[in-house]
Amino acid sequence: DTGVSQNPRHKITKRGQNVTFRCDPISEHNRLYWYRQTLGQGPEFLTYFQNEAQLEKSRLLSDRFSAERPKGSFSTLEIQRTEQGDSAMYLCASTLLGNTEAFFGQGTRLTVV
Amino acid sequence: DQQVKQNSPSLSVQEGRISILNCDYTNSMFDYFLWYKKYPAEGPTFLISISSIKDKNEDGRFTVFLNKSAKHLSLHIVPSQPGDSAVYFCAASGRREPAQKLVFGQGTRLTINP
Repeated sequence: DTGVSQNPRHKITKRGQNVTFRCDPISEHNRLYWYRQTLGQGPEFLTYFQNEAQLEKSRLLSDRFSAERPKGSFSTLEIQRTEQGDSAMYLCASTLLGNTEAFFGQGTRLTVV
Repeated sequence: DQQVKQNSPSLSVQEGRISILNCDYTNSMFDYFLWYKKYPAEGPTFLISISSIKDKNEDGRFTVFLNKSAKHLSLHIVPSQPGDSAVYFCAASGRREPAQKLVFGQGTRLTINP
């Protein structure tokens, strides 16, 4: 399967705990995006990488959120001191520079209890 | 501020008929528009796109129409099939913007009835 892969698919955590999600993009794609989707809404942009460089972060991305893409391959999104409002579907997408059609993974559904 | 709006949360259509999903946008800097389809527990899947230099793009049963003066686009599916039942998201992007990030509408849940 050469699509975008995200792990884990589901995560339930207690408020205050840290969580980390992983995204493996399509191998030749140099752009990687993180989006967040809450119930009844469309995905909202969080941040993106071009190769290993994080080039833009949304104001939705508070200081508790950090994302990395070491070596320009897979990416991780960490949320520290989770809050109930962080409960959402976290989506990763990848594409080639110059292409607008992004390919999405299946997402990680986070539930903070 | 909702820059991309899908005002119909749901739509129900008879199998074999035409499904028309609508989307409005407010940002004049958007010059590329996409439709994604999403099944439960899966990520969005790209369906079809259109550049602002065109007013129509067709791909099989799917056609997207763009009316720039009205800042409106629509997706036509004909004939509709039961497998088309899903949530459809309209998305927009400014290709001159470095990030080329997608701005999504809220989605329309399409149900195709047999």
